[in-house]
Amino acid sequence: AQTVTQSQPEMSVQEAETVTLSCTYDTSESDYYLFWYKQPPSRQMILVIRQEAYKQQNATENRFSVNFQKAAKSFSLKISDSQLGDAAMYFCASLTQGGSEKLVFGKGTKLTVNP
Amino acid sequence: DAMVIQNPRYQVTQFGKPVTLSCSQTLNHNVMYWYQQKSSQAPKLLFHYYDKDFNNEADTPDNFQSRRPNTSFCFLDIRSPGLGDAAMYLCATSRDPRRVGGYTFGSGTRLTVV
Repeated sequence: AQTVTQSQPEMSVQEAETVTLSCTYDTSESDYYLFWYKQPPSRQMILVIRQEAYKQQNATENRFSVNFQKAAKSFSLKISDSQLGDAAMYFCASLTQGGSEKLVFGKGTKLTVNP
Repeated sequence: DAMVIQNPRYQVTQFGKPVTLSCSQTLNHNVMYWYQQKSSQAPKLLFHYYDKDFNNEADTPDNFQSRRPNTSFCFLDIRSPGLGDAAMYLCATSRDPRRVGGYTFGSGTRLTVV
């Protein structure tokens, strides 16, 4: 079974600064996918960024980028130029395969952005 | 806009009184999921439907059941809610979760058991 671990229950960052959220995972699969989801307070969870394990290049979406270290099974999210709207719970997730595909989530990191 | 809609946003039920949460989608996705999310815990998959095929997670209590009468709707039934079932319940859909966009989530239903 896949497991996802987020060791930072809470993080804070000053507006316009950069913050990195950590995530490690464990899987026996050779082909898998990793995601970061954002859940603002009282709002729906939305996809921030995804990474295919077979791709060596780190994914980037505007101010969001990942540092994917396959050998270390690490998948951190870097948010550059943090904005007040980035404040949310961030969940790291992995996608299992084989039969029915389903997301496995970490416990989340609550990000606070200070003005 | 195409979306996943969960009703109600907030649900209060009495201990032991059956309750049903609903989810509808306009995306025509063939997979629908129900997750249970408790405070400070990872969202936990309860079950999912791949089209009409029901897939129950091994550790989902028998107290939880689901129905999917058609592509658009999926229901979560809790037969005898206990205090430990108080949580946010998330519905999600996907056509192919590996594609950009992955899952589409609803806003959730927060269940309170009194």
